[in-house]
Amino acid sequence: DAKTTQPNSMESNEEEPVHLPCNHSTISGTDYIHWYRQLPSQGPEYVIHGLTSNVNNRMASLAIAEDRKSSTLILHRATLRDAAVYYCILVTDSWGKFQFGAGTQVVVTP
Amino acid sequence: DTAVSQTPKYLVTQMGNDKSIKCEQNLGHDTMYWYKQDSKKFLKIMFSYNNKELIINETVPNRFSPKSPDKAHLNLHINSLELGDSAVYFCASSQGHSNEAFFGQGTRLTVV
Repeated sequence: DAKTTQPNSMESNEEEPVHLPCNHSTISGTDYIHWYRQLPSQGPEYVIHGLTSNVNNRMASLAIAEDRKSSTLILHRATLRDAAVYYCILVTDSWGKFQFGAGTQVVVTP
Repeated sequence: DTAVSQTPKYLVTQMGNDKSIKCEQNLGHDTMYWYKQDSKKFLKIMFSYNNKELIINETVPNRFSPKSPDKAHLNLHINSLELGDSAVYFCASSQGHSNEAFFGQGTRLTVV
């Protein structure tokens, strides 16, 4: 299974943008890049996913490198509610699975 | 309406007992999963079902037996519970597997 590498933690001030990097140098052509987050004492929550092009939704933006070996999740204005562990996951377009790594703990400071 | 619901939310039981955790999704999805999150917070997939058929079994001890009576339900039965089974168990569902997955709130299992 292709693996992802994320920083252990990142800190941001409230209302500032947060850029969360993810390296996935062994990604294959059919792997989708998914991002999930887990707030304390809750189940993981879908954030965004993409294949090749950059994606935007109401929660965040996903910037995918041209060679697809890395991606960046962008939270445009961090709020205290965005404090969570963010997971970058590769999902294969076959009967694959969501393989979670250690994720990045995002701390938002007022 | 809760999209993916698990019951119970908390479960405390003694070693050696048998217990079940139920999961239901009302999203019309065809794929359901069970994940285990241990004390170190790593989420590991245990099982994946597609249209009631087992697709993935990630070397889980055979004391764990998933049962999918229909596409909307995936229950987890655990026999002869051990201390190491203590964890939070999450159920999830998706349409296919490359689309977004929806997770339940988790069941915290404590074996004493």
